[in-house]
Amino acid sequence: GQNIDQPTEMTATEGAIVQINCTYQTSGFNGLFWYQQHAGEAPTFLSYNVLDGLEEKGRFSSFLSRSKGYSYLLLKELQMKDSASYLCAVEGNTGFQKLVFGTGTRLLVSP
Amino acid sequence: EPEVTQTPSHQVTQMGQEVILRCVPISNHLYFYWYRQILGQKVEFLVSFYNNEISEKSEIFDDQFSVERPDGSNFTLKIRSTKLEDSAMYFCASSEKNTGELFFGEGSRLTVL
Repeated sequence: GQNIDQPTEMTATEGAIVQINCTYQTSGFNGLFWYQQHAGEAPTFLSYNVLDGLEEKGRFSSFLSRSKGYSYLLLKELQMKDSASYLCAVEGNTGFQKLVFGTGTRLLVSP
Repeated sequence: EPEVTQTPSHQVTQMGQEVILRCVPISNHLYFYWYRQILGQKVEFLVSFYNNEISEKSEIFDDQFSVERPDGSNFTLKIRSTKLEDSAMYFCASSEKNTGELFFGEGSRLTVL
């Protein structure tokens, strides 16, 4: 089966750092995506991890541990515009990008 | 920056009617996908398409659904006889390879009355 867990909601203040966790149990695994989604809009690509470790891209970093079925997205120097849902998605190993999405974590950044 | 474009942005239809949602993937991409998101729920995979044929589909993608690449640029999703539960945001996506970054369009919101 496929199961992806992430917190439903998180709050943080402008300028702070926040870590959004994702745990997964899936029948196949090729990689893990993080997407940002503002209400009523399309998911926007943030990161893609295949190997264990930390990938840094500007204010956003993503970590993966394949053996633990665990990933996190780290957002630094939070801005108001970072208020959005953050979607964790697992890519299976069928050879095509059938992504299985979590329910998303709604992040609210306050002044 | 190249992007995936979708039309219409919003369509309202009566139950039982046929609907066609259109997508123009990024021009050099070879892999095409449809996903959907019912309001307040998670994004769900519908179908993947490569080399002019369906490569994988989910349980949601039953006989009422079909996809087509009628020419070199468009990729369409047809729902033959819409049901109330088909109301959702439908996202088209494309990628250059069968792994790595997947680009989503802005979505087509379908409302079935």
